[in-house]
Amino acid sequence: QKEVEQNSGPLSVPEGAIASLNCTYSDRGSQSFFWYRQYSGKSPELIMSIYSNGDKEDGRFTAQLNKASQYVSLLIRDSQPSDSATYLCAGNEKLTFGTGTRLTIIP
Amino acid sequence: DTEVTQTPKHLVMGMTNKKSLKCEQHMGHRAMYWYKQKAKKPPELMFVYSYEKLSINESVPSRFSPECPNSSLLNLHLHALQPEDSALYLCASSQDNNLRGQYFGPGTRLTVT
Repeated sequence: QKEVEQNSGPLSVPEGAIASLNCTYSDRGSQSFFWYRQYSGKSPELIMSIYSNGDKEDGRFTAQLNKASQYVSLLIRDSQPSDSATYLCAGNEKLTFGTGTRLTIIP
Repeated sequence: DTEVTQTPKHLVMGMTNKKSLKCEQHMGHRAMYWYKQKAKKPPELMFVYSYEKLSINESVPSRFSPECPNSSLLNLHLHALQPEDSALYLCASSQDNNLRGQYFGPGTRLTVT
């Protein structure tokens, strides 16, 4: 079993809708979880971090962590074409990334 | 300043060449990383330096040789590479326990001919 698994997609969402990205993990050693956004040909960019069970909101982004069920999710509200990218999740301990979810926002 | 810089941006080298990739950060981070990324794949960890000491080597072939001259700099020395080593090489840094995530440089696009 991979340490971090993502619904690999690809995922297409209409502009203005909510995009939902999910990640499950087997690494119980991680205390923090992260979402990175990677545009084609660019490097990953840290967009959200979450340490506690529950929700964390930052602008249009909400990260959700459930340690008992070992999943992390990212919600993007009011999706914009500029949100089209690959989204990677990772924990702080194992330094490995999920396979990534390629998100396309359809105008 | 949350910037990690990498040079060069692009590198083409033959299989007999020796070259080096360079990475620099000024965020006071004490952990620095090298990743390799192939097209349509996630970054793959190669090396981790913590407090300027090599703490993780993910069984990387010896033709890749990392070096951490000081807390702000990270090098990756390349020698006798193979065409399959062509990839995007990413440098990242973080606080020592990585509790707040990693900051990535723009990467070096390496082509081995």
